[in-house]
This record gives sequence, C-alpha cells and structure tokens, in this order.
Amino acid sequence: GQNIDQPTEMTATEGAIVQINCTYQTSGFNGLFWYQQHAGEAPTFLSYNVLDGLEEKGRFSSFLSRSKGYSYLLLKELQMKDSASYLCAPESRNYGQNFVFGPGTRLSVLP
Amino acid sequence: GAVVSQHPSRVICKSGTSVKIECRSLDFQATTMFWYRQFPKQSLMLMATSNEGSKATYEQGVEKDKFLINHASLTLSTLTVTSAHPEDSSFYICSASGPGPYEQYFGPGTRLTVT
Repeated sequence: GQNIDQPTEMTATEGAIVQINCTYQTSGFNGLFWYQQHAGEAPTFLSYNVLDGLEEKGRFSSFLSRSKGYSYLLLKELQMKDSASYLCAPESRNYGQNFVFGPGTRLSVLP
Repeated sequence: GAVVSQHPSRVICKSGTSVKIECRSLDFQATTMFWYRQFPKQSLMLMATSNEGSKATYEQGVEKDKFLINHASLTLSTLTVTSAHPEDSSFYICSASGPGPYEQYFGPGTRLTVT
C-alpha cells in the first residue's frame, strides 16, 4: 500500500530558501518523483531520485533517504512564479500501483 | 521533449450523457498511459493504468463500467465517462510513460463539468 505525508501549506518570502518534506511508506518502492503543479494546469516534472542523497538541478534540489522513507525538495532563491503545489510521488514496482501522488504542498511565495 | 495532448480541454455535458476524453502521445510511443482525476484543492488520484492492447487496471474504488478506458494504439488512450453525474465533475489528466526512463509526460488536462 501507500502512505504519503506532506505539509499542506507553506509560505516563504521571495529570495528565500524553502524545504518541502515528504515521508512515505510504499511497498515495492523504486524511486521518488517531485512534480510542480500550478493551479488549473497539469503537473510538470521536477526530479526523480533512486539513490540516497542530494541531487541538485539549478535552483531546485531533491534529497532521498530510502531507509527512512523520507525525501525533501529544496527550492532556493524563491521567485513569485514558484507559487504552486509541489507533489511528492513515490514509485512502486508493484503492478497497478506504479505511481501515486502525495497530497501536495501548496507553496505561497510572498514579495 | 515528449508531448502529450488531451482533447477536449473543457467539456460541459448534461447528467446522464457520456463523454469521451482522448489522450495522445504526439512524438513517441507510449506503451503505458495513466489516467488521473483531481478534485479542487486535492492531489491527483490515479484512476487506472492502461497498457496498449490489454485491459486497463483500475484502482480500488474506481468503477470500470463507468470509466471506460481504451488503449487501442501506442499513441492513443481514451477515457469515456458513462452516464455522467454532477459528482463526476473534475479535472481529468492523462500521462504517458515516455521513451526515456524515469519520467511521466502529462497531458494538459480536461475540465469536465456535468450539469
């Protein structure tokens, strides 16, 4: 089964750094995706972690600890356009349970 | 990059009618497509996994006779909402497993309103 937990809402200031945490309990865990979703739009891919550790991609970095069932998305130098929902999505090898989204974290970036 | 389209982008239908939503991978072959539903202020919920040439696998609680999924080719999957009710009003999004590893390519979504 799947059990995914993220904070519901977060607020940060333009130019700041914010960390969005995600904990999961996923049978057949294979890797973890992070997606960004602006209101009324489809999600867009941000990152995919399979191995433990931090992967950096520009202003966004993603961290994974497989043993702890924990991941975070780190957003640096926040911009107003970063206001969106951020969805954590553990991937499972189990058939019919490949890809499930967490509840999402609504981030508001204030000037 | 890989592109997935959906049609229509918005549809309004009357209660009791059926609506078909198309999902196409435009520049790659998608052996697996996924259908999601999203209610306001909620996360995406996986409805079903669709593999080309075989029956879709539905998530628990999703009625297969109400949400008909057909994946007849490597570039097209369709979702038909049969006998639609107002509570079926939602944002329906498809995604496709692309040619490269690790990524899902999402369609732009279809906003369904049932009156």
